[in-house]
Amino acid sequence: QKEVEQNSGPLSVPEGAIASLNCTYSDRGSQSFFWYRQYSGKSPELIMSIYSNGDKEDGRFTAQLNKASQYVSLLIRDSQPSDSATYLCAVQRTGGFKTIFGAGTRLFVKA
Amino acid sequence: DVKVTQSSRYLVKRTGEKVFLECVQDMDHENMFWYRQDPGLGLRLIYFSYDVKMKEKGDIPEGYSVSREKKERFSLILESASTNQTSMYLCASRFSGTGINEKLFFGSGTQLSVL
Repeated sequence: QKEVEQNSGPLSVPEGAIASLNCTYSDRGSQSFFWYRQYSGKSPELIMSIYSNGDKEDGRFTAQLNKASQYVSLLIRDSQPSDSATYLCAVQRTGGFKTIFGAGTRLFVKA
Repeated sequence: DVKVTQSSRYLVKRTGEKVFLECVQDMDHENMFWYRQDPGLGLRLIYFSYDVKMKEKGDIPEGYSVSREKKERFSLILESASTNQTSMYLCASRFSGTGINEKLFFGSGTQLSVL
């Protein structure tokens, strides 16, 4: 079992729709959770972090965490073509050095 | 803005060559990392360093070594390059600590081809 699992996609949504990206992780000691966005040919950049159960909203992005189910998700509201990218889920033990990444989900937003 | 600079964007090397990938960061970060990224496999951690001269193996260290003689510089060394080391190599850095300090800053990557 991979430590961090994501659907590889591609996930295709029309412009203006909600895109829902999901991630599960295996290490119950994980305490920090991240979503990185990676445009084609570019390096990853952090867009959301979440540390406690529940929802965290930042603009059009909402991260959701359920530690009991070992599940993290990212919702993108009012999706735009500029949101087309690969989204990487990442987890880390608090105080640990290793950030473990999933393989990423490719998102296409159709205009 | 934090800048993580990788010395080469593209490299082509021959099997058996010794290869050096250099990474420099300008934000006084304590922690530095080398990942490789392959299609369908995501980012996999090769080595990391939490301080000058300190290094730890990541998940796939075989065939690689690292050097950190100065805080701002972290080098990845392929002692004898092989074709299965053809990949995108990403350097990253961050502060020690928790919370926002756990944010990784990435370099632009080096696409290495071993022929």
